[in-house]
Amino acid sequence: DAKTTQPTSMDCAEGRAANLPCNHSTISGNEYVYWYRQIHSQGPQYIIHGLKNNETNEMASLIITEDRKSSTLILPHATLRDTAVYYCIVTAGGTSYGKLTFGQGTILTVHP
Amino acid sequence: DAGVIQSPRHEVTEMGQEVTLRCKPISGHDYLFWYRQTMMRGLELLIYFNNNVPIDDSGMPEDRFSAKMPNASFSTLKIQPSEPRDSAVYFCASSPSTVNTEAFFGQGTRLTVV
Repeated sequence: DAKTTQPTSMDCAEGRAANLPCNHSTISGNEYVYWYRQIHSQGPQYIIHGLKNNETNEMASLIITEDRKSSTLILPHATLRDTAVYYCIVTAGGTSYGKLTFGQGTILTVHP
Repeated sequence: DAGVIQSPRHEVTEMGQEVTLRCKPISGHDYLFWYRQTMMRGLELLIYFNNNVPIDDSGMPEDRFSAKMPNASFSTLKIQPSEPRDSAVYFCASSPSTVNTEAFFGQGTRLTVV
C-alpha cells in the first residue's frame, strides 16, 4: 500500500469547515483513498473513501486531485464531537479492505 | 445488529498469565481482523481471517500470540505467557465480502499486564 503523509495536528472552530489534507504521491492506479477517524477511547470509524472522483456522504466530502497524489477530507460544519484522530489510508481495496495500514494520522481539535 | 462485540473491555493480569480476548463479528461478515494499538507503534494489524481461515498472520509479534476463529461468529486472541510490553488496546474489526466498502471496529479491549 502507498504511504501517506498528514499534518500532525490541526485546529478548527466549531461550525466552520475542517479541511484535512493528505499526500499520497506514490499511489497506484488500483489503490483507493480511505478515511477513518478515532474518537478518544473508541474503535476507528469509517468516514468515506474514493478512487478518483470526488465523493460525498452524510459525514464528509472527499476531494481527490486529478493526479491522485493528494486528497482533502472536508467536514463541512465541524462540531465538538468531531474532535478525533483522522487517518488517511491508501489501500488496494478489493474484498480485504479491512486490511488497513494506519499511520499517525491528524489530531483534529474543534474548539468553541 | 449490535456491531462488533469485544470482551472483556478491560483486562488486568499479571506477567506470565494467559490472557484471552474475545470478539464477535457482525453477522454475515466474512472477514475478521485483529489490531493492536500502542502509543509507540500506533494501530497495527496482527492477523486476519476470511471465512474462518487465517489468511495473514505476519503481524503477530511472536509465538506467544495465537488467534483462532472456530466459527463465523466468534474469534479469540490469546497471549501466553503475557508480558508487560503486551499492554495495549486490542481491536477487532469485521467486514463483508462486498468489494470496496468499510470495516467495522469494536470498542476494543484495554489490556494491562503488570
